[in-house]
Amino acid sequence: QKEVEQDPGPLSVPEGAIVSLNCTYSNSAFQYFMWYRQYSRKGPELLMYTYSSGNKEDGRFTAQVDKSSKYISLFIRDSQPSDSATYLCAMRKSGGYQKVTFGIGTKLQVIP
Amino acid sequence: DSGVTQTPKHLITATGQRVTLRCSPRSGDLSVYWYQQSLDQGLQFLIQYYNGEERAKGNILERFSAQQFPDLHSELNLSSLELGDSALYFCASSGWTQGYTFGSGTRLTVV
Repeated sequence: QKEVEQDPGPLSVPEGAIVSLNCTYSNSAFQYFMWYRQYSRKGPELLMYTYSSGNKEDGRFTAQVDKSSKYISLFIRDSQPSDSATYLCAMRKSGGYQKVTFGIGTKLQVIP
Repeated sequence: DSGVTQTPKHLITATGQRVTLRCSPRSGDLSVYWYQQSLDQGLQFLIQYYNGEERAKGNILERFSAQQFPDLHSELNLSSLELGDSALYFCASSGWTQGYTFGSGTRLTVV
């Protein structure tokens, strides 16, 4: 069993829809949770970075972490065609310079 | 520009050859990480260096090796290349508790 599970999709939604992406994990030692966006053949870029359980909002993006269920989510409101990309969840343990473990990524297509 | 520089961007080489991929981390970041991303595969962790020393190792093949130099740049050496080594190779760097900053990657094609 992988430490981080993520549905690879693809997920197609119409422009303006609310998108829900999620991951589950098995290692309770994970304390920091991230979402990266990766456009085709480009390097992943950090979208959201959260610590422990709770919600974090940044513009149209909201990240949620439920450590009791080992479940994290990313919501995208008013989705745009420019949001079409692969979204990778990621997480790491506490302490400095810890290795990050990634999900496989969910490919999202927002259709105009 | 993310601040992490990877060279070369593209590399085409024959089976059995050896190549070196280079990474310069973001200013101030002491740790460098190497990942391999094959088609339809996720990011596979290869190896991490912190301030010149190996800190963590993933499923890195024995044919692969890496090092981090005193100026903090890192090199990933891939030898006896096989067709299956064709992939995107990403370098990332980080500070103490931040997320990674990725470079734009090196696309390796083995023919």
